[in-house]
This record gives sequence, structure tokens and C-alpha cells, in this order.
Amino acid sequence: DQQVKQNSPSLSVQEGRISILNCDYTNSMFDYFLWYKKYPAEGPTFLISISSIKDKNEDGRFTVFLNKSAKHLSLHIVPSQPGDSAVYFCAASARTNAGKSTFGDGTTLTVKP
Amino acid sequence: NAGVTQTPKFRVLKTGQSMTLLCAQDMNHEYMYWYRQDPGMGLRLIHYSVGEGTTAKGEVPDGYNVSRLKKQNFLLGLESAAPSQTSVYFCASSFEDYQPQHFGDGTRLSIL
Repeated sequence: DQQVKQNSPSLSVQEGRISILNCDYTNSMFDYFLWYKKYPAEGPTFLISISSIKDKNEDGRFTVFLNKSAKHLSLHIVPSQPGDSAVYFCAASARTNAGKSTFGDGTTLTVKP
Repeated sequence: NAGVTQTPKFRVLKTGQSMTLLCAQDMNHEYMYWYRQDPGMGLRLIHYSVGEGTTAKGEVPDGYNVSRLKKQNFLLGLESAAPSQTSVYFCASSFEDYQPQHFGDGTRLSIL
């Protein structure tokens, strides 16, 4: 049973428009959520996170929204740039699981010039 | 500023051979992790360590062993490689739990 799901394997958007990447989770004990970005032949790099006590966290062009009742989070990128083209992983942690992260399968974002 | 360094970057093994993947971090992080990533899938935790001398099993530990003799190093061993272990292996570290992890660039391992 996959506890963190990214149901869209790929997303294509035009440069300058908004990119919205979605993530759903099933474990109600998750209380810390992270997004990582991965370029080919590189390791993932941390992008932004949110604690379950918040419903929004913003960092420049990146905003993460958390809807605890729906067990859903989303990453908004505004405006999207060609350099944002990468694989985006959603990850979730639970204090009851020693803080270890469970990762989704990733969404490949392509931003077209 | 090296961060997390994985050695080697690529390796081809024959079934039954053994090898060790090395991960080194220079950030004085307590927590270290080994993941595998298969095509179209996310990262699955193999083993992790919460400090020097400690190790614990993750989601997919079978066929792998680890050691953390020094705080900065985390070794992943395959005693008898199998084709099912063909994957990209990522090492990561973090200062403590609930902190973002810093990843190496991966080791691409093929087992024939």
C-alpha cells in the first residue's frame, strides 16, 4: 500500500504560466511534508517543506499548500521557467516513524519556452 | 563544499559477486540513509543510521548490509548480488530527523 501518491507521472506547462504538482497521502500520522527536485544524473535537492500545523508555506516562486482533511498537498510554481523542468518528489514524515521520509513516485515537469 | 559524495558512480557486477558502496558526508550530520530508485518509482529506504555505530532497517533491507563505523561514512554492502538489485542507489544525510535530507548524485549499479 503506497502511503504517498503522486498520481500525475508528468506535467507540461508553458513558460510563465503556473505549474501545480499534486500529492496525496494516506497515513494520518504524517506531520511534516517536503518537496524535492531532481535533475537527470543528479541526486534530489530539497525545495520546500511544510509542517502539519500550517496550511501554506511560500519561498519565492514556490508555494506549498497542505489540506489535512483531504490528506492532500500541492506545490505551485509561479511563474514557471524552463530551468524548472525536472522530476519533483513529494515526501512525508511521521514522528511515530522516527522522522523517516516516505517518497512518492515523482512527477516529471516540463516547462516549454 | 563537497556535501555528500558517493563512490563509485557506476558499476557492473555479475550475479553472485559482492561489492561495497561508499557514502561520505562533510556536514557533520548525525543521520544517514541509503535509498534505491527503480525506473518510474520513488526512493525506497534500504537502511539508515541515526548516529555513529548505529544502523536500522528501512523498507527494503533484504540482500543488503550497512555499517557506520565513522560519523562521516555510511557503507552499503551487497554480499551476493542479484539482478533484482540493479538500480540507482542514493545516499543522503540530515542533521536530525525532520530536517531536509542532502543527497549524493547516486551510484548506478547493473547486475548481469
